[in-house]
Amino acid sequence: AQSVTQPDIHITVSEGASLELRCNYSYGATPYLFWYVQSPGQGLQLLLKYFSGDTLVQGIKGFEAEFKRSQSSFNLRKPSVHWSDAAEYFCAVGARAAGNKLTFGGGTRVLVKP
Amino acid sequence: DVKVTQSSRYLVKRTGEKVFLECVQDMDHENMFWYRQDPGLGLRLIYFSYDVKMKEKGDIPEGYSVSREKKERFSLILESASTNQTSMYLCASSFLSASGGLSTGELFFGEGSRLTVL
Repeated sequence: AQSVTQPDIHITVSEGASLELRCNYSYGATPYLFWYVQSPGQGLQLLLKYFSGDTLVQGIKGFEAEFKRSQSSFNLRKPSVHWSDAAEYFCAVGARAAGNKLTFGGGTRVLVKP
Repeated sequence: DVKVTQSSRYLVKRTGEKVFLECVQDMDHENMFWYRQDPGLGLRLIYFSYDVKMKEKGDIPEGYSVSREKKERFSLILESASTNQTSMYLCASSFLSASGGLSTGELFFGEGSRLTVL
């Protein structure tokens, strides 16, 4: 069965500083990988996704993520954080063998200090 | 833009009541899903559906049922609500790929329904 671990429950970062959120997955074949963001009181919005090809994926709002098969990781990065990036971030994994289901990590809440 | 609409943003129910959570999507998606979201646990899949009148159990189906009578609508039912079902419930939908193969899995979410069971 597929699984996702986000080791950091909370991260506090200063505005303008860089941000990296960790995601480790477990799945036997090549996964589909996603990062979603949830602002307070809102549903989830897709930031970026990886299916195949280039392992460095660009997303919306200046985010990028890198797929590292050897480390079973898909970490999310942003070079300079804005106050509006304060939200909860979820990593998710899906795969053809599992149909269309996505399995989500526990989430990382990001707080941005002025 | 894809729109997934959940009928109630906030509900308060009593233990033992029957609860209906409704979800409608306007993009003709084949697949629809119900997740519950709890702090520290992320999103956990309750039920999903690939087609009208079709349903599959997710990871935590106990205490829930679903109904999909029309393609655009997917309902989550709590037959007898309990306090441990107090949670945020998220509906999502996705499409099959153009070639008719399996979807790439990208989900489009509603804004959620926060249910409190007293």
